[in-house]
Amino acid sequence: AAGVIQSPRHLIKEKRETATLKCYPIPRHDTVYWYQQGPGQDPQFLISFYEKMQSDKGSIPDRFSAQQFSDYHSELNMSSLELGDSALYFCASSLSPRGNTEAFFGQGTRLTVV
Amino acid sequence: EDKVVQSPLSLVVHEGDTVTLNCSYEVTNFRSLLWYKQEKKAPTFLFMLTSSGIEKKSGRLSSILDKKELFSILNITATQTGDSAIYLCASNNAGNMLTFGGGTRLMVKP
Repeated sequence: AAGVIQSPRHLIKEKRETATLKCYPIPRHDTVYWYQQGPGQDPQFLISFYEKMQSDKGSIPDRFSAQQFSDYHSELNMSSLELGDSALYFCASSLSPRGNTEAFFGQGTRLTVV
Repeated sequence: EDKVVQSPLSLVVHEGDTVTLNCSYEVTNFRSLLWYKQEKKAPTFLFMLTSSGIEKKSGRLSSILDKKELFSILNITATQTGDSAIYLCASNNAGNMLTFGGGTRLMVKP
């Protein structure tokens, strides 16, 4: 069965550079969520989208932005990268935030800022 | 602010032992409680619990929710080394936003 696909799997950037992470949800899933997991920490919710509109916002820095496109894939744009942005970034998808459905996670993108 | 607390933080057992992992929550507009297993990368979905007292079971794993006392437990019987992982509990609110607990790191020794 198709799962959530994230790309790239690994990314190394320098401070103050920009990074773009991509997420392709499970087919027919219309909701995507972004999480940030620092070393030894639990995933922290960043932002979510339903039907291409932002549906919820968590602890996402102003330097980050995200959007969901017409094919439901989502991109997380991160600018002016800082060392503290080094983390594992997960995308999850589900079928509609209004329903009580489970979220399935992608494999994550490991971002290293040097 | 939604809050999820897991205990213990870490656990070391031997193969064949039974373990119980705990998760308590304080959530506004609670919808469900989810358990995930995280090995190397992405959390893998285990269970979603919405109703009190109804046990969900998958092989050697089972889980139950108590909505009155606001907690859930995850049981693993006859543990195997492959069960070694971090087990994450997450609450799901009305907006389908997950709040994760800190996880329980389980190590199963041969």
